[in-house]
Amino acid sequence: GAVVSQHPSWVICKSGTSVKIECRSLDFQATTMFWYRQFPKQSLMLMATSNEGSKATYEQGVEKDKFLINHASLTLSTLTVTSAHPEDSSFYICSARDSSSGGGETQYFGPGTRLLVL
Amino acid sequence: AQSVTQPDIHITVSEGASLELRCNYSYGATPYLFWYVQSPGQGLQLLLKYFSGDTLVQGIKGFEAEFKRSQSSFNLRKPSVHWSDAAEYFCAVARRQAGTALIFGKGTTLSVSS
Repeated sequence: GAVVSQHPSWVICKSGTSVKIECRSLDFQATTMFWYRQFPKQSLMLMATSNEGSKATYEQGVEKDKFLINHASLTLSTLTVTSAHPEDSSFYICSARDSSSGGGETQYFGPGTRLLVL
Repeated sequence: AQSVTQPDIHITVSEGASLELRCNYSYGATPYLFWYVQSPGQGLQLLLKYFSGDTLVQGIKGFEAEFKRSQSSFNLRKPSVHWSDAAEYFCAVARRQAGTALIFGKGTTLSVSS
């Protein structure tokens, strides 16, 4: 099946620093990737939709200047948390849409990145 | 607004017993429907999906789901639960349009007792 990787899986950083998270589709091309945030014991909340070669579309309430998204190729999207603060600590999960699935909008998820800001 | 409801926050089932996890959605038209499973600290794994055709969908790990348009439901079932099925289960929908994101339910935690 389609595989999506995320790197790093764990990151601890100091408050005020920036952190970059990579999301890669390993065996398929993804024109669209999605970034979600998940708090403990809660569901996934969509942060933004990342389209290859164009600007990301952010959900209401998500600061686009704080969460920078770049989708430079058909297999890579990056999320950069700028000037991270403790309240940004969370589990970040990306997904990639396999448009070649022949059946519609199947999304495959990465294993997630746990961010802890001290 | 579109929404997904999973009425059961936590379910405990004995190993070997049958399982049904409920999912209802509110949508203007029939969306794409999905069930995902998440183990602690992990990403989401697709169990099964419904796009069209047969309303009874077979998935991985012995799971199946039935789409009922009249009830706006997409319940997940398994005839015999294994201890390894203990996890968080999410129902999700997506609009029938290219590039749309998933809308998730709040999830159901499944515990399996021996």
